[in-house]
Amino acid sequence: NAGVTQTPKFRVLKTGQSMTLLCAQDMNHEYMYWYRQDPGMGLRLIHYSVGEGTTAKGEVPDGYNVSRLKKQNFLLGLESAAPSQTSVYFCASNLGSTMNTEAFFGQGTRLTVV
Amino acid sequence: AQKITQTQPGMFVQEKEAVTLDCTYDTSDPSYGLFWYKQPSSGEMIFLIYQGSYDQQNATEGRYSLNFQKARKSANLVISASQLGDSAMYFCAMRDVNQGGKLIFGQGTELSVKP
Repeated sequence: NAGVTQTPKFRVLKTGQSMTLLCAQDMNHEYMYWYRQDPGMGLRLIHYSVGEGTTAKGEVPDGYNVSRLKKQNFLLGLESAAPSQTSVYFCASNLGSTMNTEAFFGQGTRLTVV
Repeated sequence: AQKITQTQPGMFVQEKEAVTLDCTYDTSDPSYGLFWYKQPSSGEMIFLIYQGSYDQQNATEGRYSLNFQKARKSANLVISASQLGDSAMYFCAMRDVNQGGKLIFGQGTELSVKP
């Protein structure tokens, strides 16, 4: 049971470099999310998707792009990394959006931009 | 706008004692769901317990219980008989069903269990 898998787990980038974080889920979930976690601020939503081919902005979308070409995958892209994007990134998915739906999280990606 | 507030950045508890982690929320929706997650030092997010706004009873899951006071808009997590393995960051969250079902998180409380 893989659940939600994030790739890579760790990455160091230089300012201005680009990269893509991959989130894959094998639970046939419609809803997928990308959050970032910073000390003292909890998790904040970057972008989300309510189904294949759809994406929407969350609370802190600037500097990020996403794509959901396949239902099982949700990609988060940084086109030109900045030190302010140093964070731990979490992907999550759930089957529906009702209030009692449990979210399943990936193990996180620790990104450092120098 | 919906909001979750956790006012305890860090807490200490003696092993085998009970501890309460505070969470207050703000929403104008009559229907909402509240979650607690545990994040150990290894980093993963572990679901602990859920409380729905219409649930008549407080949720319980093993040593975890949720002290839900709707009028006060609080959803405090109670951990009974603390164990060393309970040392972790704890997050309270609310689901926003109007925005793709996203979770809104509090700032977190770091719990340290002393032997």
